[in-house]
Amino acid sequence: EPEVTQTPSHQVTQMGQEVILRCVPISNHLYFYWYRQILGQKVEFLVSFYNNEISEKSEIFDDQFSVERPDGSNFTLKIRSTKLEDSAMYFCASSGLAEMSEQFFGPGTRLTVL
Amino acid sequence: GESVGLHLPTLSVQEGDNSIINCAYSNSASDYFIWYKQESGKGPQFIIDIRSNMDKRQGQRVTVLLNKTVKHLSLQIAATQPGDSAVYFCAENIGYGNKLVFGAGTILRVKS
Repeated sequence: EPEVTQTPSHQVTQMGQEVILRCVPISNHLYFYWYRQILGQKVEFLVSFYNNEISEKSEIFDDQFSVERPDGSNFTLKIRSTKLEDSAMYFCASSGLAEMSEQFFGPGTRLTVL
Repeated sequence: GESVGLHLPTLSVQEGDNSIINCAYSNSASDYFIWYKQESGKGPQFIIDIRSNMDKRQGQRVTVLLNKTVKHLSLQIAATQPGDSAVYFCAENIGYGNKLVFGAGTILRVKS
């Protein structure tokens, strides 16, 4: 069964450093997303991406964040200068052709900012 | 503002009993709702969805009910099993971009 994969599973970084979280969405999907979940809290939407551009972004997704689809398979989230409060689980998701179609989530990357 | 919330943070049920997890949403324009299950250390896993033109949808051992009048969503799990123990989130699809707004989550504990 196709699945979304994410690397690394755990990333530890120093405050102020740049991190890149990587995702490989399901191959025939066209919509891509990043969500985050601070420990013990609900999952929060960050950004959606379609047709090589951002469709929608949340207030959390400020100038420190960016997304890219550098090739036909990867989808990345970059945080330019990490802050302590960026520590969270980051989930990538993808969905198929139609709007309102099921979003498949990856296993997540745990980001720890020291 | 937009928000999705859950009434019960923790639900404990006996194995074999039925479980009902509730969710309230506030955006009357939402037209697609999903229930996700999240096990420890894993990403959300799709359980069942429902569109706003329906009030009930059934899957394998699960049923989702949607009451648009009171903006309420519920997930019913029949014959709950230990493997059902997890955190359950409702989510609503809001607007262009397929943004999902998640509720706070309910912990389901199944006692053997």
